[in-house]
Amino acid sequence: NAGVTQTPKFRILKIGQSMTLQCAQDMNHNYMYWYRQDPGMGLKLIYYSVGAGITDKGEVPNGYNVSRSTTEDFPLRLELAAPSQTSVYFCASTSGTSGPYEQYFGPGTRLTVT
Amino acid sequence: AQSVTQLGSHVSVSEGALVLLRCNYSSSVPPYLFWYVQYPNQGLQLLLKYTSAATLVKGINGFEAEFKKSETSFHLTKPSAHMSDAAEYFCAVTGGYQKVTFGTGTKLQVIP
Repeated sequence: NAGVTQTPKFRILKIGQSMTLQCAQDMNHNYMYWYRQDPGMGLKLIYYSVGAGITDKGEVPNGYNVSRSTTEDFPLRLELAAPSQTSVYFCASTSGTSGPYEQYFGPGTRLTVT
Repeated sequence: AQSVTQLGSHVSVSEGALVLLRCNYSSSVPPYLFWYVQYPNQGLQLLLKYTSAATLVKGINGFEAEFKKSETSFHLTKPSAHMSDAAEYFCAVTGGYQKVTFGTGTKLQVIP
């Protein structure tokens, strides 16, 4: 199993550009999550999904969009990038069929918006 | 509603000394509690979890945590710190499986 994979590892965007952060898992997990991590702030939930076709907002969804067309993939879209979106982004997944459910994390994408 | 408070954003210990990282939680339902570890430039990985089966939970790398309902605490300990323990540690709480609330993290420095 590759677990949770994320691409790219690093990216620099100019203000106003858009991009998609890719996330995939091969564990047949129902639940998937996107977090951002800023120094001293812990992890903040951006969006999550409980299955294909179902997504919901987390704490900090503004400026982001997601879709979940398959169980495996959960891409995060940034529209009109802003410096405030400079962060490290983590995708995670969990089974959702029996608990408690520890989350499995990808290696992260480090994004800089200048 | 649920929340987690980690006391101390930075903790320094000498190699071989006791490690104690503090976590207090708040939850409106019986909680599930986790400790995760993050090494530099990596994602988080599970250290241990509390599932209500036993109040003293043993994890990987010699870490353990004790659930104390009366104190709403889930502190992480290790009897003897090793240089390889230097990392950031996150406490997390969930009342179910949909959303997990993470603490702000504690960076552990191990001094040789």
